[in-house]
Amino acid sequence: DTEVTQTPKHLVMGMTNKKSLKCEQHMGHRAMYWYKQKAKKPPELMFVYSYEKLSINESVPSRFSPECPNSSLLNLHLHALQPEDSALYLCASSQEGPGDVISPYNSPLHFGNGTRLTVT
Amino acid sequence: AQTVTQSQPEMSVQEAETVTLSCTYDTSESDYYLFWYKQPPSRQMILVIRQEAYKQQNATENRFSVNFQKAAKSFSLKISDSQLGDAAMYFCAYRSQGGSEKLVFGKGTKLTVNP
Repeated sequence: DTEVTQTPKHLVMGMTNKKSLKCEQHMGHRAMYWYKQKAKKPPELMFVYSYEKLSINESVPSRFSPECPNSSLLNLHLHALQPEDSALYLCASSQEGPGDVISPYNSPLHFGNGTRLTVT
Repeated sequence: AQTVTQSQPEMSVQEAETVTLSCTYDTSESDYYLFWYKQPPSRQMILVIRQEAYKQQNATENRFSVNFQKAAKSFSLKISDSQLGDAAMYFCAYRSQGGSEKLVFGKGTKLTVNP
């Protein structure tokens, strides 16, 4: 069982649709992440939230809009996506936030099972 | 910028045998953390093992162990007594010690376990 929960597991949407991906963790972690993963490739960082504030945006197109309503929740709002945006979207969390010194016990990222997104 | 290189896109091993996955990295930092993550078909990224750069002793977790060579910037993963459930993509990853949120991944090695 994963400690980071993502919904939905699968999503098919048209290019004109608006949808949202959701991520939840109850480990008290202060940092949460969105990654995008194409088939047979490593995950690529999209956004990082730390202490509920956006700390990193890896030049992601504005059709992806992250939101962190509270320390346990992370959303990714999708609008006007393109077929090339089809991918596995992974959420992750970690104990530390920006400027925190990483300790060996805090440093791993805990990943969810991902949402498989298909844009038609 | 740090880079992580996994030179073996695919590897295979017989059940109960031992296999070693290679990983090299490039960094100018002296303090950092290295990880091996496993991603089975279920898609979840699972932490397999971690190594702190300041520790000379190689990390071990049951059947998984690493050979950490700091001077050579090498971080290989050894899986002993391979099991069918070990079949997955394995990603080597690097993280700075100084509070950076970024986890730098290698391109991955697909491990097949043959019965």
